[in-house]
Parts: sequence; C-alpha cells; structure tokens
Amino acid sequence: AQKITQTQPGMFVQEKEAVTLDCTYDTSDPSYGLFWYKQPSSGEMIFLIYQGSYDQQNATEGRYSLNFQKARKSANLVISASQLGDSAMYFCAMRELRNTDKLIFGTGTRLQVFP
Amino acid sequence: DTGVSQNPRHKITKRGQNVTFRCDPISEHNRLYWYRQTLGQGPEFLTYFQNEAQLEKSRLLSDRFSAERPKGSFSTLEIQRTEQGDSAMYLCASSLWDKSYNSPLHFGNGTRLTVT
Repeated sequence: AQKITQTQPGMFVQEKEAVTLDCTYDTSDPSYGLFWYKQPSSGEMIFLIYQGSYDQQNATEGRYSLNFQKARKSANLVISASQLGDSAMYFCAMRELRNTDKLIFGTGTRLQVFP
Repeated sequence: DTGVSQNPRHKITKRGQNVTFRCDPISEHNRLYWYRQTLGQGPEFLTYFQNEAQLEKSRLLSDRFSAERPKGSFSTLEIQRTEQGDSAMYLCASSLWDKSYNSPLHFGNGTRLTVT
C-alpha cells in the first residue's frame, strides 16, 4: 500500500502568488514525522519543513507552512509569495520509527513558477 | 559545515562491471543513509548506518550491493556485476540522530549511474 500519496504530478503558479502542494499519508504508528523536501534540477534534496505527529501547531519556516490535518492524514505544503527559484520537484516524506529509521517518499510534484 | 559530499557525480559503466561510490557525511552526524532514485520517482530507501553499524537493509538491496561505513565516518556503496536496471541516481544522506523524529536528513548531490 502506498504510504505517501502526492496526487499532483505538476502545478503551475504565478510569481508572488501562494500555492498548495498536497500530501496524504498512511500509517498505523501513532508517532511519526512528516517532511517536505525540494529537489531542483541540480538534483540535491533540500530539507524545507518538518511536522511531528504530536505537534499541536502547524509548522512554519519562512515562506513555507505545513497544513497538518491529522484526522484526514494530510500534510499539505503551502508556499507563499512564490518566486521563480521555487520551480523544482517537491517531495513529501514520512518517517516511522517503530522498528526502523527511514524516510518514505511520495512520487513528487513538479512546481513551475511563471512570471 | 560543508554538507554531504558524494563522489563521483557521474559514472558510466558497462554492464557486468563493478562500481563503487563514496559518501562523506556531515562530520558530527552519526547516521548515514543510502537511497536510490529513478526518473520520475521519489527516493527509495536502501540502507542506513548508525556509526559503523549497518542497522537495516532494504529488500531492494540485492546481494550484488554492499555498503560499508568503516570507522563510522565515510561510507561506500559497491555494486557488483552491474545491470542496466541499476541505472539511477544514488543519494547519500546523514543526520544527527538524537532519538527524536525531527532531525532531518541532509542529502548530498548524488551519484548518477548509467549502465550501458
């Protein structure tokens, strides 16, 4: 069963606008972490933001915020005031630690920011 | 902090040859991970180490693959008798594991392997 689902293969947004990238997850573990990574065309995976399953508030890091809805098992990434440099692949990932320490990634969403 | 370093950046090899990749993690990080990423997919977990101990290997890691982390510093990933299906980006990551969930993995730029 797919543990991380990103249903948007591609998204377009105009510069300075906000955009939401969707992510749903599946786990029976009550303790887990959710991560978002950005992968530009250069290939490096860049850590953006983290949300813990017990965190009461939605995570924010600069222009990035995470819309965490635990009951719906969704962890959508919101990018505000998009910039041309935000064009990249974005991956949602989950970390289950019951028996292991590994990130399980979704298939990604390609974001393109246009002027 | 120089980040995670991987060498080489690119490797082209003929089917049946052996290849070895190197990863130098962030110096104070105690965990090191290997992932593989094919075109259009997210990274897939291969294996990880805590210091020099290899704690888990994915079923993706066939017996042609071996990873080591001698002395708990750099790591090598060797693929023997390469096959065309091994063509992928091999990503290394490290983290400072402190028993919390929120220590992110920091990735290197990857080694792109092409098997002809």
